Amino acid sequence: AQRVTQPEKLLSVFKGAPVELKCNYSYSGSPELFWYVQYSRQRLQLLLRHISRESIKGFTADLNKGETSFHLKKPFAQEEDSAMYYCALPGGYQKVTFGIGTKLQVIP
Amino acid sequence: GAGVSQSPRYKVAKRGQDVALRCDPISGHVSLFWYQQALGQGPEFLTYFQNEAQLDKSGLPSDRFFAERPEGSVSTLKIQRTQQEDSAVYLCASSPLSGTGGDYGYTFGSGTRLTVV
Repeated sequence: AQRVTQPEKLLSVFKGAPVELKCNYSYSGSPELFWYVQYSRQRLQLLLRHISRESIKGFTADLNKGETSFHLKKPFAQEEDSAMYYCALPGGYQKVTFGIGTKLQVIP
Repeated sequence: GAGVSQSPRYKVAKRGQDVALRCDPISGHVSLFWYQQALGQGPEFLTYFQNEAQLDKSGLPSDRFFAERPEGSVSTLKIQRTQQEDSAVYLCASSPLSGTGGDYGYTFGSGTRLTVV
């Protein structure tokens, strides 16, 4: 069965410090992976997808099949990055499996 | 509309009451999904529609839950005889493609927060 693990429920960093939000997955096929973000009082929205290898708002994520990881990284955290972040794994017929989420708190 | 619209935003139901939650997806979006998000958890899949066809309902937790999308646009999630464990945020998402959205991912609504008392 596919599974997404986000080991940290809360991550606090100081403004300007590097950020790494961890995501590990379990999947038998070739995975696609997404990161979704939810800012305070806003709806869940797509942040980035591994297939496009893009950088959004300074965030990047690299798929590491050997470690079955898709960690989200940013070199310098900003206050506006404070939000809930969900790692997501499409699989099966149509469903997407979401992780439990990590709350990122950037301290000014 | 410009986005996925869900109503009501908040619903308080007495245990045993029936509720109906509405989702209005982005016009023309083929795929529509319902997810349930309990407090402190990530969204969990409930059901999927491709146009008017309900292709996957494997995530519906019991036969008290059912969903419909009769004309391939607006969808309704109905919960009969609500229980306290049904308390959660119910999220609707749509995608222009069939499937999980591929490169596009989902566009989510704001959700309906259901509280069963």
